[in-house]
Amino acid sequence: AQSVSQHNHHVILSEAASLELGCNYSYGGTVNLFWYVQYPGQHLQLLLKYFSGDPLVKGIKGFEAEFIKSKFSFNLRKPSVQWSDTAEYFCAVTSGGYQKVTFGTGTKLQVIP
Amino acid sequence: DVKVTQSSRYLVKRTGEKVFLECVQDMDHENMFWYRQDPGLGLRLIYFSYDVKMKEKGDIPEGYSVSREKKERFSLILESASTNQTSMYLCASNPLDRRDTEAFFGQGTRLTVV
Repeated sequence: AQSVSQHNHHVILSEAASLELGCNYSYGGTVNLFWYVQYPGQHLQLLLKYFSGDPLVKGIKGFEAEFIKSKFSFNLRKPSVQWSDTAEYFCAVTSGGYQKVTFGTGTKLQVIP
Repeated sequence: DVKVTQSSRYLVKRTGEKVFLECVQDMDHENMFWYRQDPGLGLRLIYFSYDVKMKEKGDIPEGYSVSREKKERFSLILESASTNQTSMYLCASNPLDRRDTEAFFGQGTRLTVV
C-alpha cells in the first residue's frame, strides 16, 4: 500500500525566511504527486502537482516542489514566506488504476510577522 | 467553477444516533472519497467509490458505511455514532481516467458526537 510521510509537523518561521517542507512517499510504480494547502477555516486547495516531465514544478503564490525519484521525495519550497502563508500543508499521492489519493499527516506552518 | 458540496458545515449528534453526511459533485467525476481529518493525523481515507454502487474500504472503515446510488452523490453513514467519531469529515472527487487531475474537496462537515 502506498504511504506518505511528512516529517515536519509544526514549523515556525519569520517573514522573509525560506521554507522547505519534506515529503516522502512509498510506492514503487508510477505516481502523481500533489501539495495541498488549507488556510484557517477554509477548504483544501491545490498548490501544485506533478505527474510527468520537468521534476521541478511551480505552483501558485510562489511555491515550487521538486520530484526526486531516487529519493521518493517531493519537497515543497518557497524562497521567502509571508504572514499570509500561515496554513497547514499536505502532501498527497495518487497511483494505481483507481487514482486513490493518500495524504501525509500535514505540516502546520506559522509565519511570524 | 467546479464544486463539491457537503450538506452541512456543522452537526451535533447524540451517541447511538444514525448519522448521514451527504456530498454532491457537479464535475461528472467517477471517483468520490470520504476522509476524516484529525489534528496530527492528517486526512485518513474512510471509503471511496469509483462508480455507482461500487465502494472500496479505505484505511479506517470501521463504524462507517457508504452509499452511492447516483454518480454525483456519495453519502457517509455512521450507523451508531460514538464520541470517537467526533471529527472533521471531508468529501472529495476526482476523475478516474485523468491521472493529471487533482482531487477537489468540499468545505468539510465538523461533526460533534455528545
